[in-house]
Amino acid sequence: EAQVTQNPRYLITVTGKKLTVTCSQNMNHEYMSWYRQDPGLGLRQIYYSMNVEVTDKGDVPEGYKVSRKEKRNFPLILESPSPNQTSLYFCASSFLLPDRPNEQFFGPGTRLTVL
Amino acid sequence: RKEVEQDPGPFNVPEGATVAFNCTYSNSASQSFFWYRQDCRKEPKLLMSVYSSGNEDGRFTAQLNRASQYISLLIRDSKLSDSATYLCVAGTGRRALTFGSGTRLQVQP
Repeated sequence: EAQVTQNPRYLITVTGKKLTVTCSQNMNHEYMSWYRQDPGLGLRQIYYSMNVEVTDKGDVPEGYKVSRKEKRNFPLILESPSPNQTSLYFCASSFLLPDRPNEQFFGPGTRLTVL
Repeated sequence: RKEVEQDPGPFNVPEGATVAFNCTYSNSASQSFFWYRQDCRKEPKLLMSVYSSGNEDGRFTAQLNRASQYISLLIRDSKLSDSATYLCVAGTGRRALTFGSGTRLQVQP
């Protein structure tokens, strides 16, 4: 089944404790992206990657890191989480080439609470 | 000003009603437009792409007005299962999609 998976789905942590949220897709998509969703603000892009070893900042990258060592994986790293990073996080992927469908597929989301 | 603006709703409509959502975008360089559907606490899923000539998919019709920079979604014969939040999306390419905050629809029996 074609899908984007994220782990963990729920996480409660404390300020300053490094954490990683994993994201994996099995559709051979070139493009992967991380978003956070907050009430009234919609989905905001954190980082994106157009291919292996190619990453770039989105609209709200502060406090986050990413890596793209393999095409299928795109982990989101919070080196020192703070309470303002409490949010619902989504990973998404899609093809990049213009002759392929341009739909972005989303993972199920990770609900993060930083105390 | 937000790049993509939507009326947050909620729109409360009876079953069978026709409901229309509008959305405006500020970036005139936007080239791709979509409507996504998001159920409560779930991931967004593509409802339909929006093309310049307008497009229809069953009960759903999407329109794009580039001159006025707005996108619309029309839902005919609303079903209870249409209750969800509808996200308007504008992109300057495949890399950068900007999502609106969403419009909540509640279809009532």
